[in-house]
Formats: sequence, C-alpha cells, structure tokens
Amino acid sequence: AQRVTQPEKLLSVFKGAPVELKCNYSYSGSPELFWYVQYSRQRLQLLLRHISRESIKGFTADLNKGETSFHLKKPFAQEEDSAMYYCALNSAGRRALTFGSGTRLQVQP
Amino acid sequence: DAGVIQSPRHEVTEMGQEVTLRCKLISGHNSLFWYRQTMMRGLELLIYFNNNVPIDDSGMPEDRFSAKMPNASFSTLKIQPSEPRDSAVYFCASSLEGATEAFFGQGTRLTVV
Repeated sequence: AQRVTQPEKLLSVFKGAPVELKCNYSYSGSPELFWYVQYSRQRLQLLLRHISRESIKGFTADLNKGETSFHLKKPFAQEEDSAMYYCALNSAGRRALTFGSGTRLQVQP
Repeated sequence: DAGVIQSPRHEVTEMGQEVTLRCKLISGHNSLFWYRQTMMRGLELLIYFNNNVPIDDSGMPEDRFSAKMPNASFSTLKIQPSEPRDSAVYFCASSLEGATEAFFGQGTRLTVV
C-alpha cells in the first residue's frame, strides 16, 4: 500500500528565509508525486508535479527515489506563501491521490 | 466553468440526523473523488468513482456513510445517522480520465453537535 508522510505539522520561518517542506513516501512501484497548496479560505489546488520538473511561484521539488522523498523547497520565502501544503502520490493503476497529513507554512514578516 | 461546486458550504446538525453533501463535477470530467479533512489525519480518500461507477470505497468509515452518482455530473455523500466524530471538512474533486490532476471544490464544513 502507498503512504505519504509529512513529518512537520507546522513550519514557521521569517520572510526571506529558505523553506523546505519535507515529504517521504512509500510505494513499491514508480510513483507520480505532487504538491498541492491550500491558501486561507481557498480551495486546494495543484502547485507542482514531479514529472513537469518546473518551478512554480519559486517553489521546486525533486523526486529522490533513493531516499523516497519529494521535498518542496523555496530559497526565499514570502508572506504570501503562508498556506497549508499537501504532498500527494498517485500510483500506477490507481486514479485517486493519496495525501500526506499536510504542513502549515507560516511566513512571518 | 465555475469549477467543482459543493453545497452546502457549512452544515451544523444534531447527532443522529441525516446529512447530505452535494457535489457538481466540472463539465466533461468523469472521475469523482470524496475526501475528508481533519486536523489529526489530514486528507483521507473516502471513495472515488470513474464513469459513475464506484471504484474504491475502502476509505468509507462505516455503513453510516454512502455515496452515489445519480448522473455523470453530480454526486452525493450521505451520513445517516451522523455522529460528532464525523465533524470535518468534506471535499469533492473531479478529474478527466487519464489525467492525474484533480480539481477540488471549496469543501463543506460539517459540524455534528
């Protein structure tokens, strides 16, 4: 069975500081990994996916199969980055995403 | 398209009452997912449908929960009877077949007192 672990419930940083939101997964096959974000009073929305290898709003995430990790990083946090972040996994043959428990990022001025 | 639409946005009910949550999919989408969000457990998949057919309902907590898709664009999640531990935010999401990105509704915040 697949599992996604986000060890931090809350991460608080100051504006301009680097950010790393941790995500580890367990799955025996080749997973597809995502980061979703939920800003205050807004719906959950896709931030980025590993197959795109893109940077969105300054965030990047690299899939490390050796460490089974997909950590989300941003070199300089902004106050508008404050939100709830969910790491998610989609396994081959199963259409539904498995989410981690989420990490709340607070960026203080 | 207004996206996935859920109703009601907020529901407060007494223990033992029946609760029905509603979801309208994005036009053209044919996969539908119901998730429950709590502080302790985060986002949990309850059930998902593909082309109106339930594919995986292993996340449905117990027989008090049931979900249906009476047509291709609409779904309901029913809890009968409701209990205080059912209090959570319930999200509906839809996607296109073959696509992996899911589009979420704004959620229904359920409080059972």
